[in-house]
Amino acid sequence: EPEVTQTPSHQVTQMGQEVILRCVPISNHLYFYWYRQILGQKVEFLVSFYNNEISEKSEIFDDQFSVERPDGSNFTLKIRSTKLEDSAMYFCASSLREGRGDEQFFGPGTRLTVL
Amino acid sequence: AQKVTQAQTEISVVEKEDVTLDCVYETRDTTYYLFWYKQPPSGELVFLIRRNSFDEQNEISGRYSWNFQKSTSSFNFTITASQVVDSAVYFCALSEAQGVTGGGNKLTFGTGTQLKVEL
Repeated sequence: EPEVTQTPSHQVTQMGQEVILRCVPISNHLYFYWYRQILGQKVEFLVSFYNNEISEKSEIFDDQFSVERPDGSNFTLKIRSTKLEDSAMYFCASSLREGRGDEQFFGPGTRLTVL
Repeated sequence: AQKVTQAQTEISVVEKEDVTLDCVYETRDTTYYLFWYKQPPSGELVFLIRRNSFDEQNEISGRYSWNFQKSTSSFNFTITASQVVDSAVYFCALSEAQGVTGGGNKLTFGTGTQLKVEL
């Protein structure tokens, strides 16, 4: 069964460093998302991406964040200068369609720890 | 703005008990979708069910059932004869159909209910 994959599973970085989180969505899906979950809290939407551009982003997704689909398979989230409060689990998701409440398939997550 | 409330932070039951997880939502849209996801201790998010706002029929899948009531803006989830493997955090989520056209529909999650099923 096709699945969303994410690498690395755990990333430790120093405050102020740049990190890139990688995701491989399901191959025929067209819509891509990043969410984050601070430990013990709810899952929060960061950004959605379609047709090689951001379609919606939340207040959390400020200038320190960027997303890219550098090739036909990868979807990346970059945090330019990490802060302590960026420590969280980051989930990538993809869906085939956008309307009709299409199911979003989630990856296993990348746990980011900023020291 | 859309909002999902899961008032139960944590529920503990003994195996084989039935348990209901509550979810109340707010939205201005007439067309929307509701979801339940399970997050086991391993951390991944597992899709359980999707419901659209026009379909108020209750649904049963094995030991799981869902009760959708638009009149009370609720989408509750019941596990019958709970098992230890049901122990997880359960999230209710909402997606509005009138989201950004051509751009996907973000999910708004509730704060989750931690379910602990003990022997």
